[in-house]
Amino acid sequence: QKEVEQNSGPLSVPEGAIASLNCTYSDRVSQSFFWYRQYSGKSPELIMSIYSNGDKEDGRFTAQLNKASQYVSLLIRDSQPSDSATYLCAVRYSGGYQKVTFGTGTKLQVIP
Amino acid sequence: DTAVSQTPKYLVTQMGNDKSIKCEQNLGHDTMYWYKQDSKKFLKIMFSYNNKELIINETVPNRFSPKSPDKAHLNLHINSLELGDSAVYFCASSQDLVREIYGYTFGSGTRLTVV
Repeated sequence: QKEVEQNSGPLSVPEGAIASLNCTYSDRVSQSFFWYRQYSGKSPELIMSIYSNGDKEDGRFTAQLNKASQYVSLLIRDSQPSDSATYLCAVRYSGGYQKVTFGTGTKLQVIP
Repeated sequence: DTAVSQTPKYLVTQMGNDKSIKCEQNLGHDTMYWYKQDSKKFLKIMFSYNNKELIINETVPNRFSPKSPDKAHLNLHINSLELGDSAVYFCASSQDLVREIYGYTFGSGTRLTVV
């Protein structure tokens, strides 16, 4: 069973701080990694994708991938109360039709 | 314009009934999916269609039957509903099946409650 693990949280950070969300996956042969944000009662929304080792930055968001250690993380700089949501890590494994497996998500609370 | 639209948004029904959920995407994507999100927020894939062809069929009771009349539509029919079917069902689409570098676009979800 290929798994994606996340700490369910909640992770509480003060406004303006850096929020660090982590995700580990079980299969070394993985291709694509995604972070989705899901507000309560809403659908998941793609915020970042990463395929190569290293960092990828997009505005206040930075995704970090380390395939050797099998983890992917999301950093949110200058956290805002509007960032309070559940963040879902998703991994696309190679082989077959390469379906995407989601983690159970980390709930982030940004305290004003 | 809504990119991926699902109807209905809410569905409350009694055990044993049959119900359908409809999904349409106007993004021109070739691949569509049905995901089930349980009360613990775990998103689990159920089915996937690529250009009307079923390509992923997870271990789902055969009471669930997807249908894709064309690549822009993917419907889900559920027979003999059970209490355990209560969940939020999300439709999603993706642009590139092979490389999957764009991630998914999700619909707004259908909250199914079986009483």
